Amino acid sequence: AQSVTQLGSHVSVSEGALVLLRCNYSSSVPPYLFWYVQYPNQGLQLLLKYTTGATLVKGINGFEAEFKKSETSFHLTKPSAHMSDAAEYFCAVRTSASKIIFGSGTRLSIRP
Amino acid sequence: SAVISQKPSRDICQRGTSLTIQCQVDSQVTMMFWYRQQPGQSLTLIATANQGSEATYESGFVIDKFPISRPNLTFSTLTVSNMSPEDSSIYLCSVTPVGGASNEQFFGPGTRLTVL
Repeated sequence: AQSVTQLGSHVSVSEGALVLLRCNYSSSVPPYLFWYVQYPNQGLQLLLKYTTGATLVKGINGFEAEFKKSETSFHLTKPSAHMSDAAEYFCAVRTSASKIIFGSGTRLSIRP
Repeated sequence: SAVISQKPSRDICQRGTSLTIQCQVDSQVTMMFWYRQQPGQSLTLIATANQGSEATYESGFVIDKFPISRPNLTFSTLTVSNMSPEDSSIYLCSVTPVGGASNEQFFGPGTRLTVL
């Protein structure tokens, strides 16, 4: 069975600092991995996804994630945080039955 | 991509009543899913809505509590029955478009339900 674990329920960084949100996955088959963002009182938006091919995936709003099979990780990064990045971020994995299983989420706060 | 609308966007309901949430997509989709997001929590899959047949429920969710219909390729409903305050959540519809990559899944804006 596939699953994801997000390390840290809350991350706080200063504006302009590096953002690093951690995600580890468990999958018996090559995984499809996703990062979604949820802004306050809004729906889910796909940030980026990894299916096959290049392990460094670039998404919207300057975010990127690297798939590391040896570490079973798919951490999300952004070089310079912006106030508008404050949101809840979810790592997710697609199962063999085409279902999306979500991690517990990480709330990102940005300090001025 | 697919544009997904949900009705109602939010509601406040009394204990013991039922609410039906609608999910409408602007194009045909292969798969439709319903998720629940309890306050401060992540998303949990309730069921897969199957066209023309009974929905497939995840562990911990039953048809009597969450009946689902999917009469065609663009529409589905989720009913939350005999509600209690513990049902207060955001309910989200999710779809995989026809012709899109099978790993693409889009989410509706959600229905915010408060049960008093």
